[in-house]
Amino acid sequence: DTEVTQTPKHLVMGMTNKKSLKCEQHMGHRAMYWYKQKAKKPPELMFVYSYEKLSINESVPSRFSPECPNSSLLNLHLHALQPEDSALYLCASSQVPGLDEQYFGPGTRLTVT
Amino acid sequence: GENVEQHPSTLSVQEGDSAVIKCTYSDSASNYFPWYKQELGKRPQLIIDIRSNVGEKKDQRIAVTLNKTAKHFSLHITETQPEDSAVYFCAASKLQGGSEKLVFGKGTKLTVNP
Repeated sequence: DTEVTQTPKHLVMGMTNKKSLKCEQHMGHRAMYWYKQKAKKPPELMFVYSYEKLSINESVPSRFSPECPNSSLLNLHLHALQPEDSALYLCASSQVPGLDEQYFGPGTRLTVT
Repeated sequence: GENVEQHPSTLSVQEGDSAVIKCTYSDSASNYFPWYKQELGKRPQLIIDIRSNVGEKKDQRIAVTLNKTAKHFSLHITETQPEDSAVYFCAASKLQGGSEKLVFGKGTKLTVNP
């Protein structure tokens, strides 16, 4: 299985809502990532988990809260988001942090109203 | 911090022609350089990568060259086909806080005209 899965595919939430994005991989990868991608822009790194520990936080606002419950799962908890947070949120995984092929999930298209 | 510049931002070629996309990076410690292809509405997918101990790598119609002295690397696609139309991102590795991450270029939109 060489696939990263993400749920939900689409999410519309109000600025007072709390929601979570989920990501799963069964490739035995020990690094997992959250990226944010705006239209016509490159993926923008948000967080890196290495061996289930948060190793990089790119100064992301606290309204985004990552969680890595185990080596296969990665969550992104959302609370009090702003309309400018609307974007495609991509999860990725790799065997070695940053130095190996990153396998991307299909993304969650988030709209904040 | 690491900065990756990518040129051109758009590229239009005729089917069968070659396409070249160039990237430069600033961190001399970078040692891993992947290229990702992202079709419209799809996820980014690795098409080729190169490490700093290699100057060139080829996979069928795709090749990447790396010049560590000049800090630049290039993607070469030969005999282009319409299905090569996509956005291509280069990236360079960067060590941060004891962990490695990728810094992406801004992307090149390649259009292959039949």
